[in-house]
Amino acid sequence: EVQLLESGGGLVQPGGSLRLSCAASGFTFSSYAMSWVRQAPGKGLEWVSAISGSGGSTYYADSVKGRFTISRDNSKNTLYLQMNSLRAEDTAVYYCAKCKMAARPINTFDYWGQGTLVTVSS
Amino acid sequence: DIQLTQSPSFLSASVGDRVTITCRASQGISSYLAWYQQKPGKAPKLLIYAASTLQSGVPSRFSGSGSGTEFTLTISSLQPEDFATYYCQQLNSYPPLTFGGGTKVEIK
Repeated sequence: EVQLLESGGGLVQPGGSLRLSCAASGFTFSSYAMSWVRQAPGKGLEWVSAISGSGGSTYYADSVKGRFTISRDNSKNTLYLQMNSLRAEDTAVYYCAKCKMAARPINTFDYWGQGTLVTVSS
Repeated sequence: DIQLTQSPSFLSASVGDRVTITCRASQGISSYLAWYQQKPGKAPKLLIYAASTLQSGVPSRFSGSGSGTEFTLTISSLQPEDFATYYCQQLNSYPPLTFGGGTKVEIK
């Protein structure tokens, strides 16, 4: 059974940093691209970042480029999102999501984690 | 960037109704479109991918159609568990991978 479990969310001051983790199980982690998607309170879904299975290709939304870094450790079956220079508008539930098709570029998200809440406030 | 416009943004319907949600792309995206269902406090769930392919385990009352710039999600007979918010997503051109603004389906 595929499982994705996010952690690392919490309350942080503007300008601060946070690292999110997503522990994956139930599939061959290194074979699948992964992504982070966020949802601000009461708002819609916003794609944040994605990474290929090998980790060699990364992609970012303009809103986070230069501040957030996506990475993965395939030996630990874990996806990460390092978030620096956080702003109030980064407040959201952050979901990690698995791409459906193996050994392919970024594609449809077939499994999602339960989400972790990041609150940026003084 | 490719923009996705969903309509309507809000829909009130009764159990048993046929419901159609539209997603329009600002430029052609072939069939690189997915539909997700999200219930309050829960993660999104994949319903349809490649515009019209039903994800495994999803009831057959859900269907998707379209290509290019116009797509539809249809629920043939709305069930109580279908009241949720629905999002389309384009995967043709990235970054960014864009989502539509969402359509909230509520009980009439």
